[in-house]
Amino acid sequence: KAGVTQTPRYLIKTRGQQVTLSCSPISGHRSVSWYQQTPGQGLQFLFEYFSETQRNKGNFPGRFSGRQFSNSRSEMNVSTLELGDSALYLCASSHGLAVGEETQYFGPGTRLLVL
Amino acid sequence: QKEVEQNSGPLSVPEGAIASLNCTYSDRVSQSFFWYRQYSGKSPELIMSIYSNGDKEDGRFTAQLNKASQYVSLLIRDSQPSDSATYLCAVNTFLSGGYQKVTFGTGTKLQVIP
Repeated sequence: KAGVTQTPRYLIKTRGQQVTLSCSPISGHRSVSWYQQTPGQGLQFLFEYFSETQRNKGNFPGRFSGRQFSNSRSEMNVSTLELGDSALYLCASSHGLAVGEETQYFGPGTRLLVL
Repeated sequence: QKEVEQNSGPLSVPEGAIASLNCTYSDRVSQSFFWYRQYSGKSPELIMSIYSNGDKEDGRFTAQLNKASQYVSLLIRDSQPSDSATYLCAVNTFLSGGYQKVTFGTGTKLQVIP
Protein backbone atom coordinates (compact mmCIF):
# COMPACT_ATOMS: atom_id res chain seq x y z
CA LYS A 1 0.00 0.00 0.00
CA ALA A 2 1.45 3.39 -0.97
CA GLY A 3 2.22 5.82 1.80
CA VAL A 4 1.27 9.44 2.23
CA THR A 5 2.65 11.64 -0.53
CA GLN A 6 3.21 15.37 -0.50
CA THR A 7 4.06 17.76 -3.29
CA PRO A 8 6.14 19.73 -3.83
CA ARG A 9 8.96 18.57 -1.57
CA TYR A 10 10.76 21.91 -1.57
CA LEU A 11 9.55 25.40 -2.23
CA ILE A 12 11.10 28.86 -2.15
CA LYS A 13 8.83 31.88 -2.07
CA THR A 14 9.13 35.55 -1.23
CA ARG A 15 7.23 37.54 1.37
CA GLY A 16 3.72 38.46 0.33
CA GLN A 17 3.31 35.57 -2.09
CA GLN A 18 0.94 32.70 -1.57
CA VAL A 19 1.59 28.98 -1.72
CA THR A 20 -0.44 25.80 -2.12
CA LEU A 21 0.75 22.46 -0.82
CA SER A 22 -0.79 19.11 -1.69
CA CYS A 23 -1.20 15.88 0.25
CA SER A 24 -2.47 12.50 -0.92
CA PRO A 25 -3.38 10.18 1.96
CA ILE A 26 -2.99 6.44 2.21
CA SER A 27 -5.70 4.69 0.23
CA GLY A 28 -8.79 4.25 2.40
CA HIS A 29 -7.85 6.98 4.84
CA ARG A 30 -10.41 9.75 5.07
CA SER A 31 -8.73 12.06 7.57
CA VAL A 32 -5.89 14.39 6.68
CA SER A 33 -4.19 16.56 9.26
CA TRP A 34 -1.67 19.31 8.60
CA TYR A 35 1.19 20.30 10.85
CA GLN A 36 3.85 22.97 10.84
CA GLN A 37 7.24 22.00 12.22
CA THR A 38 9.89 24.53 13.16
CA PRO A 39 13.01 24.04 15.29
CA GLY A 40 11.72 26.29 18.05
CA GLN A 41 8.05 25.28 18.23
CA GLY A 42 8.11 21.63 17.28
CA LEU A 43 5.11 20.08 15.58
CA GLN A 44 2.10 22.37 15.69
CA PHE A 45 -1.32 21.31 14.54
CA LEU A 46 -2.88 23.39 11.79
CA PHE A 47 -6.14 21.66 10.92
CA GLU A 48 -7.79 18.34 10.16
CA TYR A 49 -10.10 17.47 7.32
CA PHE A 50 -12.45 14.53 7.22
CA SER A 51 -14.85 13.77 4.38
CA GLU A 52 -14.25 17.19 2.79
CA THR A 53 -15.06 19.04 6.03
CA GLN A 54 -12.71 20.79 8.41
CA ARG A 55 -13.48 19.26 11.77
CA ASN A 56 -10.60 20.48 13.88
CA LYS A 57 -8.45 23.60 13.80
CA GLY A 58 -5.33 24.77 15.61
CA ASN A 59 -4.34 28.29 16.60
CA PHE A 60 -3.06 29.65 13.32
CA PRO A 61 -4.13 32.88 11.60
CA GLY A 62 -6.65 32.90 8.80
CA ARG A 63 -3.85 33.14 6.24
CA PHE A 64 -3.61 29.39 6.64
CA SER A 65 -6.46 27.53 5.00
CA GLY A 66 -7.13 24.16 3.54
CA ARG A 67 -9.57 21.97 1.76
CA GLN A 68 -10.20 18.34 1.03
CA PHE A 69 -11.50 16.77 -2.13
CA SER A 70 -13.87 13.86 -2.59
CA ASN A 71 -10.92 11.49 -3.13
CA SER A 72 -9.54 12.57 0.28
CA ARG A 73 -6.63 14.46 -1.23
CA SER A 74 -6.04 17.69 0.62
CA GLU A 75 -4.49 21.03 -0.13
CA MET A 76 -3.18 23.66 2.23
CA ASN A 77 -2.87 27.29 1.23
CA VAL A 78 -0.90 30.04 2.90
CA SER A 79 -1.54 33.57 1.70
CA THR A 80 0.58 36.68 2.22
CA LEU A 81 3.63 34.70 3.24
CA GLU A 82 5.79 35.94 6.10
CA LEU A 83 9.38 35.05 6.93
CA GLY A 84 8.14 33.14 9.97
CA ASP A 85 6.18 30.78 7.75
CA SER A 86 9.42 29.09 6.76
CA ALA A 87 9.00 25.57 8.07
CA LEU A 88 8.51 21.94 7.28
CA TYR A 89 4.84 21.32 6.55
CA LEU A 90 3.72 17.80 7.24
CA CYS A 91 0.49 16.09 6.49
CA ALA A 92 -0.68 12.93 8.19
CA SER A 93 -3.48 10.60 7.25
CA SER A 94 -5.60 8.23 9.28
CA HIS A 95 -8.91 6.43 8.97
CA GLY A 96 -10.50 9.26 10.91
CA LEU A 97 -12.98 7.09 12.73
CA ALA A 98 -11.99 8.82 15.98
CA VAL A 99 -12.86 5.83 18.09
CA GLY A 100 -10.54 3.38 19.74
CA GLU A 101 -7.14 3.08 18.20
CA GLU A 102 -6.31 5.72 15.64
CA THR A 103 -2.83 6.05 14.19
CA GLN A 104 -1.58 8.84 11.98
CA TYR A 105 0.94 8.22 9.23
CA PHE A 106 3.07 11.10 8.06
CA GLY A 107 4.09 12.13 4.60
CA PRO A 108 7.65 13.23 3.76
CA GLY A 109 6.78 16.89 4.17
CA THR A 110 7.16 20.05 2.13
CA ARG A 111 9.99 22.30 3.15
CA LEU A 112 9.02 25.93 2.58
CA LEU A 113 11.54 28.74 2.63
CA VAL A 114 10.25 32.31 2.59
CA LEU A 115 12.77 34.95 1.59
CA GLN B 1 1.92 24.33 31.43
CA LYS B 2 2.46 22.67 28.08
CA GLU B 3 -0.08 20.01 27.15
CA VAL B 4 2.62 17.46 26.34
CA GLU B 5 6.06 17.87 27.88
CA GLN B 6 9.31 16.17 27.02
CA ASN B 7 12.88 16.87 28.03
CA SER B 8 14.55 18.25 24.91
CA GLY B 9 17.85 16.54 25.68
CA PRO B 10 20.16 15.60 24.18
CA LEU B 11 20.06 12.32 26.01
CA SER B 12 23.36 10.53 25.47
CA VAL B 13 23.68 6.81 26.10
CA PRO B 14 26.45 4.36 25.20
CA GLU B 15 25.81 1.71 22.59
CA GLY B 16 24.15 -1.34 24.12
CA ALA B 17 22.65 0.57 27.05
CA ILE B 18 18.97 1.21 27.78
CA ALA B 19 17.64 4.60 26.73
CA SER B 20 14.69 5.92 28.73
CA LEU B 21 12.54 8.64 27.21
CA ASN B 22 9.78 10.30 29.23
CA CYS B 23 6.67 12.28 28.47
CA THR B 24 4.00 13.86 30.65
CA TYR B 25 0.63 15.18 29.54
CA SER B 26 -1.88 17.47 31.13
CA ASP B 27 -5.29 16.34 29.81
CA ARG B 28 -6.66 13.56 32.01
CA VAL B 29 -9.12 12.40 29.35
CA SER B 30 -6.42 11.64 26.79
CA GLN B 31 -6.84 8.14 25.47
CA SER B 32 -4.17 7.20 22.95
CA PHE B 33 -0.46 7.67 23.16
CA PHE B 34 2.18 7.36 20.47
CA TRP B 35 5.91 7.48 20.12
CA TYR B 36 7.38 8.68 16.83
CA ARG B 37 11.00 8.68 15.74
CA GLN B 38 12.22 11.49 13.53
CA TYR B 39 15.61 11.49 11.88
CA SER B 40 17.08 14.85 10.98
CA GLY B 41 15.46 16.17 7.81
CA LYS B 42 12.89 13.38 7.69
CA SER B 43 9.25 13.06 8.69
CA PRO B 44 8.12 11.33 11.90
CA GLU B 45 7.64 7.57 11.74
CA LEU B 46 5.52 5.64 14.20
CA ILE B 47 7.37 3.35 16.62
CA MET B 48 4.81 2.41 19.22
CA SER B 49 1.26 3.10 20.24
CA ILE B 50 -0.22 2.37 23.65
CA TYR B 51 -3.77 2.74 24.92
CA SER B 52 -3.95 0.89 28.25
CA ASN B 53 -2.05 1.24 31.49
CA GLY B 54 1.02 -0.95 31.74
CA ASP B 55 3.78 -2.02 29.41
CA LYS B 56 3.73 -2.84 25.72
CA GLU B 57 6.75 -4.45 24.15
CA ASP B 58 7.78 -4.57 20.50
CA GLY B 59 11.26 -5.88 19.84
CA ARG B 60 13.77 -3.62 21.55
CA PHE B 61 11.10 -1.03 22.35
CA THR B 62 8.84 -0.94 25.40
CA ALA B 63 6.20 1.70 25.94
CA GLN B 64 4.91 2.29 29.46
CA LEU B 65 1.71 4.13 30.31
CA ASN B 66 0.49 5.34 33.68
CA LYS B 67 -2.74 7.29 33.25
CA ALA B 68 -3.05 8.08 36.96
CA SER B 69 0.29 9.87 36.86
CA GLN B 70 -0.31 11.16 33.31
CA TYR B 71 3.00 9.73 32.24
CA VAL B 72 4.16 7.73 29.24
CA SER B 73 7.66 6.50 28.57
CA LEU B 74 9.64 4.68 25.92
CA LEU B 75 12.49 2.32 26.73
CA ILE B 76 14.96 1.32 24.04
CA ARG B 77 17.02 -1.73 24.96
CA ASP B 78 20.41 -2.49 23.43
CA SER B 79 20.59 1.02 21.97
CA GLN B 80 22.27 1.29 18.59
CA PRO B 81 23.84 4.30 16.87
CA SER B 82 21.01 4.03 14.32
CA ASP B 83 18.58 4.86 17.15
CA SER B 84 20.06 8.36 17.30
CA ALA B 85 17.13 10.59 16.42
CA THR B 86 14.51 12.85 17.97
CA TYR B 87 11.67 10.98 19.66
CA LEU B 88 8.28 12.65 19.68
CA CYS B 89 5.53 11.84 22.14
CA ALA B 90 2.00 12.34 20.82
CA VAL B 91 -1.22 12.32 22.81
CA ASN B 92 -4.60 11.76 21.21
CA THR B 93 -7.75 12.99 22.91
CA PHE B 94 -11.16 12.19 21.55
CA LEU B 95 -13.60 15.04 21.96
CA SER B 96 -17.36 15.22 21.76
CA GLY B 97 -18.85 15.14 18.29
CA GLY B 98 -16.36 12.58 17.04
CA TYR B 99 -13.46 14.99 16.92
CA GLN B 100 -9.97 14.14 17.98
CA LYS B 101 -7.14 16.33 19.10
CA VAL B 102 -3.55 15.22 18.62
CA THR B 103 -0.89 17.10 20.54
CA PHE B 104 2.84 16.52 20.10
CA GLY B 105 5.64 17.17 22.51
CA THR B 106 8.66 19.06 21.24
CA GLY B 107 10.72 15.87 21.25
CA THR B 108 13.77 14.43 22.98
CA LYS B 109 16.98 14.15 21.02
CA LEU B 110 18.71 10.83 21.63
CA GLN B 111 22.38 10.29 20.90
CA VAL B 112 23.76 6.76 21.07
CA ILE B 113 27.51 6.85 21.43
CA PRO B 114 29.42 3.96 19.74
